[in-house]
Amino acid sequence: NAGVTQTPKFQVLKTGQSMTLQCAQDMNHEYMSWYRQDPGMGLRLIHYSVGAGITDQGEVPNGYNVSRSTTEDFPLRLLSAAPSQTSVYFCASTRGGVGTEAFFGQGTRLTVV
Amino acid sequence: GQQVMQIPQYQHVQEGEDFTTYCNSSTTLSNIQWYKQRPGGHPVFLIQLVKSGEVKKQKRLTFQFGEAKKNSSLHITATQTTDVGTYFCAGGSGNTGKLIFGQGTTLQVKP
Repeated sequence: NAGVTQTPKFQVLKTGQSMTLQCAQDMNHEYMSWYRQDPGMGLRLIHYSVGAGITDQGEVPNGYNVSRSTTEDFPLRLLSAAPSQTSVYFCASTRGGVGTEAFFGQGTRLTVV
Repeated sequence: GQQVMQIPQYQHVQEGEDFTTYCNSSTTLSNIQWYKQRPGGHPVFLIQLVKSGEVKKQKRLTFQFGEAKKNSSLHITATQTTDVGTYFCAGGSGNTGKLIFGQGTTLQVKP
């Protein structure tokens, strides 16, 4: 099993450009989420989904859109990139329910110049 | 909204010394999970605590969940260089699988 796959691993964007970070899992997990990691800030929840067709905002949703058309995929869209979105992004999935462990992808290091 | 605070942010220890990181939530948690992230890597699940007052051990690591289910700690006995990394606690609420992470504690171990 591949687990959680994120692409790309690295990306440089210019301010105002748009892009989509891809996340796919092959564990048939219901719950998927996106986090950003910044120094001293830990992992902050951007958006999450409890199943196909259902998404909700996390702690820092502004500037990001998500959709969940299938159980496997949960892309994160930056519509107009800003330097403040320079960060490392992690996608995670869990089976769902109380106390199920999260499996993380390898991360995407995004720089906005 | 729910907040999870973790201290200290950084800890430097000599190999063989003990290490503890503390986690506090603004709300009662259904469970708390701990993750380790090696430098340049992604977070990896260590353990989950669910019951009030629960204590679990993994070799040199001891995890505790407070009686009020609002705080937790991770203690490492006799640190080794392989313990280097950032340790995160993550609080769960409800049954959706949603996790709110603390800021993490980065551990450096000097050989």
